Amino acid sequence: AQSVTQPDIHITVSEGASLELRCNYSYGATPYLFWYVQSPGQGLQLLLKYFSGDTLVQGIKGFEAEFKRSQSSFNLRKPSVHWSDAAEYFCAVGAETDSWGKLQFGAGTQVVVTP
Amino acid sequence: GAGVSQSPSNKVTEKGKDVELRCDPISGHTALYWYRQSLGQGLEFLIYFQGNSAPDKSGLPSDRFSAERTGGSVSTLTIQRTQQEDSAVYLCASSYTGSNSPLHFGNGTRLTVT
Repeated sequence: AQSVTQPDIHITVSEGASLELRCNYSYGATPYLFWYVQSPGQGLQLLLKYFSGDTLVQGIKGFEAEFKRSQSSFNLRKPSVHWSDAAEYFCAVGAETDSWGKLQFGAGTQVVVTP
Repeated sequence: GAGVSQSPSNKVTEKGKDVELRCDPISGHTALYWYRQSLGQGLEFLIYFQGNSAPDKSGLPSDRFSAERTGGSVSTLTIQRTQQEDSAVYLCASSYTGSNSPLHFGNGTRLTVT
């Protein structure tokens, strides 16, 4: 069965600084990988997804993620954080044998942005 | 157009009572999912509906949980004889069929079992 680990429960970053959120997955075949963001009082929003092809994926709000098969990782990055990026971020993995919306989520990383 | 609508937004119930949570997906979305988010946890898949196919119930935690989707649209998640460990936010999501269609999540129903 697939699993997802987000090692960092909480990250504090200064506005304008770079951000990297870690995600490691366990899955036998090529997974479908996703990053979602959950802002206070709002539903989850898809930031980006990886199915196949180019391992560097661009998403919304200036985020990108890189799929590294050798490291079983799909880390999320943003070069310069804005105060509005304060939220909880979830990495998720899906199996190509399942409905692609049936996902295993990590426990999330809470991002706090300081002035 | 409207997004995924869930009701109620908050529900407090006594242990042992039954509850019904409602999800109104985006019009035209054929796929509907229920997830559960417990405090400090990621989302846990519960059940998936796709068109007229039999639902994938593999994530339901016990036989106290059931869900139906009427007319391919509105879905109801029912929890019978609620327990304190059922306290969580229950999220519904919908999408078109196909890998290029993202999941659209509702804001969830926060269930508290006292």
